[in-house]
Amino acid sequence: GAGVSQSPSNKVTEKGKDVELRCDPISGHTALYWYRQRLGQGLEFLIYFQGNSAPDKSGLPSDRFSAERTGESVSTLTIQRTQQEDSAVYLCASSAQLGNEQFFGPGTRLTVL
Amino acid sequence: GENVEQHPSTLSVQEGDSAVIKCTYSDSASNYFPWYKQELGKRPQLIIDIRSNVGEKKDQRIAVTLNKTAKHFSLHITETQPEDSAVYFCAASRGYSTLTFGKGTMLLVSP
Repeated sequence: GAGVSQSPSNKVTEKGKDVELRCDPISGHTALYWYRQRLGQGLEFLIYFQGNSAPDKSGLPSDRFSAERTGESVSTLTIQRTQQEDSAVYLCASSAQLGNEQFFGPGTRLTVL
Repeated sequence: GENVEQHPSTLSVQEGDSAVIKCTYSDSASNYFPWYKQELGKRPQLIIDIRSNVGEKKDQRIAVTLNKTAKHFSLHITETQPEDSAVYFCAASRGYSTLTFGKGTMLLVSP
């Protein structure tokens, strides 16, 4: 079956612009997660959704970051006024329920010039 | 919250040798411990996991051991092959919660 998909696969933007990253989880997965991975680094947890709710937003790096999920399906991660330090691969994952095996998408590579 | 420490950060072995990666966790209530493998430029993929009701789990050349008392768990890869070269992440979670990942171990297997 279809796995987790993300779009775009690559995004190059200019400093100060807003970007929107999309994640389509595996159908029926109630939990969805966003991570940031800088080059050669580990997985930095950003936010998770249980259904359409995000109970804890404390992992978001700043108020320029926001995320939403609708229909217990697609999620978008929005970064406003992008900065060069936002450059990274943004990974989305989903799981059948919170705490179960997470399936990762291919990621969106964001480059802020 | 949970804190997961992973060692070593890099590990170089010769093909055919064994490799061991160790992780410790802080939350005694954690009960799910997966290991993910991330090849260069690829997404992380689950290779093995263990729950706190067992002490060891094996799948062909890979095995994971868990010591709940000491709060540490380890990944063992035997008869390593060049295609085992990747970054390996351990993680821990309790019940219905998010995973806390270690910082990763880069494993390099030389032919």
